[in-house]
Parts: sequence; structure tokens; C-alpha cells
Amino acid sequence: AQSVTQPDIHITVSEGASLELRCNYSYGATPYLFWYVQSPGQGLQLLLKYFSGDTLVQGIKGFEAEFKRSQSSFNLRKPSVHWSDAAEYFCAVVVNAGNNRKLIWGLGTSLAVNP
Amino acid sequence: EAQVTQNPRYLITVTGKKLTVTCSQNMNHEYMSWYRQDPGLGLRQIYYSMNVEVTDKGDVPEGYKVSRKEKRNFPLILESPSPNQTSLYFCASSLSRGRETQYFGPGTRLLVL
Repeated sequence: AQSVTQPDIHITVSEGASLELRCNYSYGATPYLFWYVQSPGQGLQLLLKYFSGDTLVQGIKGFEAEFKRSQSSFNLRKPSVHWSDAAEYFCAVVVNAGNNRKLIWGLGTSLAVNP
Repeated sequence: EAQVTQNPRYLITVTGKKLTVTCSQNMNHEYMSWYRQDPGLGLRQIYYSMNVEVTDKGDVPEGYKVSRKEKRNFPLILESPSPNQTSLYFCASSLSRGRETQYFGPGTRLLVL
């Protein structure tokens, strides 16, 4: 079955520390992968996406993610976290579903940042 | 500014009282969809629309209706809301179905008593 797993429900890091949020997907075909961020009381904003080509993709706010087909992973990283990065982070994959192509979402990772 | 707007942002209602949550986008997107977000269940698609007058069910369509009479608008209708529809609802749009980026509205938090 198609699925996205974010193993870490909640992560706390100190400001200035590095960050890695894990995402594993299960999908038989070539995956189109996304990371979104949801700040408190806000909608979801795209951080970055992977369709093909270079497996290391750069996004907004200093985030990057690396696609590893052999591990079915698309982990999100940031070298130095800022207090404003505290939010909920969602990984998603596009799947074919009949006449529809839709996003399958992970359950999210909540990031807290200590000053 | 390119955006997806939803109204209302917050709504408290009672069981059985029909309500509509509006969604509008100004990006001339063909594809629009509605999601609900619940703790422990994540985001689930309710309905989607690939163009005007073309709508279809997502994963959790029961108890909801939609319409797409104009390209920019995609209202979500709850004809007889029930407490299990208490949730956070998001409207999203993209240029077309598939791998294009989906742009999300700010969300509507609904409480059904």
C-alpha cells in the first residue's frame, strides 16, 4: 500500500543546532515528493519538492532534502535551526489513484526549538 | 498576491445545521481539493475537482458535498453536520492534477456541537 512514514512525532532542538527530519515512503513507481511546513494557525507552505534529477534539492528558508531511492527516504535537513522554524513538518508523495493524482501525507513531525 | 482564501476561519455550529465553507483562488488553477486534518490521522482528501463542473470523491467524502461552478471557487457544503466532522479543513489548488505544487488556504476550524 502507498504510504508515507515520519518516524519522529516530536523533535526538540536548540537554536543553532542542525536538524534532520526523517521521511520514508512506500510507492512502486517514481515518486514525486514534497515537504510542507505548517506554522501555528497557518496553512501549509511548500518547503521543497523532488521530481527527478539531482537527488539533493534546495528549498526555502535554508532547508534541503535528499532523495535516496535505495532507502525509500526523503529526509529534510537544515544546518542551523532558527526559533522561527518551530512548526509542524509534513512529508508527502504524489500517487496515482484512478483518475486522480493525489498527495499521500505523513502524520507530521512537530519541531520545537529551545532558545 | 497569489493566494487561496477560505471563509470562515472559525465556526461553531450545532448538529444538523447546514453550513458552507467557501474557498477561492486567484491563480487560475484548474485543480482544487478539500482536506481535513485530524490528530493522529493527518491530512485526508475529502473531494477534488479537476476543472469547472468536474468533481470527484476523495478518501473521506461521506457527509460532504462540493460544487465547482466557477474556476476560482470550490465551496465545501455540510448539509447536516455531525460532531465527527469537527476538524480543521484546508482548501488547496494547483495548476493541474499531479505533481504540481498545491497551494493551501489558511484553514477553517470547525466545531460541531
